[in-house]
Amino acid sequence: AQKVTQAQTEISVVEKEDVTLDCVYETRDTTYYLFWYKQPPSGELVFLIRRNSFDEQNEISGRYSWNFQKSTSSFNFTITASQVVDSAVYFCALSEFVGAGGTSYGKLTFGQGTILTVHP
Amino acid sequence: EAGVVQSPRYKIIEKKQPVAFWCNPISGHNTLYWYLQNLGQGPELLIRYENEEAVDDSQLPKDRFSAERLKGVDSTLKIQPAELGDSAVYLCASSSGTSGGPGYNEQFFGPGTRLTVL
Repeated sequence: AQKVTQAQTEISVVEKEDVTLDCVYETRDTTYYLFWYKQPPSGELVFLIRRNSFDEQNEISGRYSWNFQKSTSSFNFTITASQVVDSAVYFCALSEFVGAGGTSYGKLTFGQGTILTVHP
Repeated sequence: EAGVVQSPRYKIIEKKQPVAFWCNPISGHNTLYWYLQNLGQGPELLIRYENEEAVDDSQLPKDRFSAERLKGVDSTLKIQPAELGDSAVYLCASSSGTSGGPGYNEQFFGPGTRLTVL
């Protein structure tokens, strides 16, 4: 069965600090997708990035960057020069291509989430 | 483009009462999901629809929960009767199908319905 672990429950930083959110996953599938979502206080999850299991290139988008390492089953997310508006709960999620019994593909399995608070 | 719409945003009921949540996905999205999110946890899938067919309802507690998506567009999730442990946020999400392969397409989430059972 697939599993996602975000070991950091809460992180608190001061504005302009860099912060890395850790994500470790488990899956038996060779084809899968990894996602990061942001959930601000309004409650609506916002898609940030998707990575497929065959693409281990790191990605940078503005102040955000993602480091995917299959060897350690990790997909970590770094925010550079954090801002108060980055304060939110961040979820890492895994979706399998086939899944158990062939019916769970498309099912997102989420981690517990990391609460990030950026202080001015 | 309008996002996923959910109503009501908040609902307070007494235990043993019935409750229903409504979701209207993004236009053209044939895949619709209902998730349950407990406080301090990530969302957990309850049911997934491809058009009007429920293709994964393995996590739906069928003794008290039911869902429908009659015309393959909007959907209703019902709990009858509600229990104290059902207090949570119920999220609806939609995606544009499997053009990129199963599991590929990002899901767009609504704001959720926060249910409190007293």
